[in-house]
Amino acid sequence: QVQLQESGPGLVKPSGTLSLTCAVSGGSISSSNWWSWIRQPPGKGLEWIGEIYHSGSTNYNPSLKSRVTISVDKSKNQFSLKLSSVTAADTAVYYCARSEATHDAFDIWGQGTMVTVSS
Amino acid sequence: SSELTQDPAVSVALGQTVRITCQGDSLRSYYASWYQQKPGQAPVLVIYGKNNRPSGIPDRFSGSSSGNTASLTITGAQAEDEADYYCNSRDSSGNHLLYVFGTGTKVTVL
Repeated sequence: QVQLQESGPGLVKPSGTLSLTCAVSGGSISSSNWWSWIRQPPGKGLEWIGEIYHSGSTNYNPSLKSRVTISVDKSKNQFSLKLSSVTAADTAVYYCARSEATHDAFDIWGQGTMVTVSS
Repeated sequence: SSELTQDPAVSVALGQTVRITCQGDSLRSYYASWYQQKPGQAPVLVIYGKNNRPSGIPDRFSGSSSGNTASLTITGAQAEDEADYYCNSRDSSGNHLLYVFGTGTKVTVL
């Protein structure tokens, strides 16, 4: 059974870069799936950040595209998120999730990791 | 970019039926998926595609779609169904694919 686990700093300074990694276990990141990052500010709704395929193909939320980079490391079976020039508005729980190419739904989620942007 | 609009909150009596709707232009081209989120937990997929339930999701959850509106129906709501529910779908911007989430609906079981 595939499981996802987010990791990374819980506190990032304003104007800095948020960096998170999602480790995939119980399956291969090279399977026919897309791998996404999704975030949820405290008390608010879900926002899709972007996705990557094992080939390295990416799609990003247009509202965040200028600040986001998602990469994949097949040797470590993980993918990563970098979000630059962060502000307090980027404070959120960050989730990684899998979507199967056949149905486009997020069927597996990580537990989420809280990232706070503060000096 | 596209938006998916949901009613902020609905309530349902225990054992009764509740329908949650999701409206947006992307739904004319793509199926909606539905997620249940309880406080402090990650979302859980409950409906995807035309009307498919992942393994372990009770059959009281069902989905439907017409035009630009998708619906999630809970038939015989249980206390444990009290949660936030989000729809989402694919969308396209130029030649790029993306995802969009609905605004969320808080379901209260009375």
